[in-house]
Amino acid sequence: AQSVTQPDIHITVSEGASLELRCNYSYGATPYLFWYVQSPGQGLQLLLKYFSGDTLVQGIKGFEAEFKRSQSSFNLRKPSVHWSDAAEYFCAVASDSWGKLQFGAGTQVVVTP
Amino acid sequence: EADIYQTPRYLVIGTGKKITLECSQTMGHDKMYWYQQDPGMELHLIHYSYGVNSTEKGDLSSESTVSRIRTEHFPLTLESARPSHTSQYLCASRTGGNTGELFFGEGSRLTVL
Repeated sequence: AQSVTQPDIHITVSEGASLELRCNYSYGATPYLFWYVQSPGQGLQLLLKYFSGDTLVQGIKGFEAEFKRSQSSFNLRKPSVHWSDAAEYFCAVASDSWGKLQFGAGTQVVVTP
Repeated sequence: EADIYQTPRYLVIGTGKKITLECSQTMGHDKMYWYQQDPGMELHLIHYSYGVNSTEKGDLSSESTVSRIRTEHFPLTLESARPSHTSQYLCASRTGGNTGELFFGEGSRLTVL
């Protein structure tokens, strides 16, 4: 069965510092991978997605993610975080051809001044 | 900006009441989904639909029911709410195929006393 693991439940980072959020997946075939962000009281917004091709994917809000098949990982990065990046981040994998997504438990990011 | 709407955003009700959470999208998407989200936990798929008159149960067993009489509308109903139903419910929709972006509503936060 497919699964997604986000090892870090909570991360605190200073404004202007770099950020990396980890995501590991378990999936038999070529995965379709996603990162979503959820601000307080809001729904989820897509940051970026990977289907094939270049393993470094650029997304919105200055985020990027790198797919590493050998490590079954799809880590999210941002070189310099802004206070508005404080939110919860979810990694997800499309679990079947009908597009059902399997989500990780999420990583809460707190940004300090 | 996604055109998918959920009402009510917040609902507090007593045990035994019947409730319906509304979800509407104006994007003409065939596929729609309901996820249940508890704090610090991953999102769990509870219902999905591939089109009008199509409904399926998701990975997480739920006592709720759904209907899809119109493409744009995918309501979720609890016939008799219990405190264990307290959670956030997120509705989403997407275009066809497993590479399409999932658009989320802002969620309905249900509290059953």
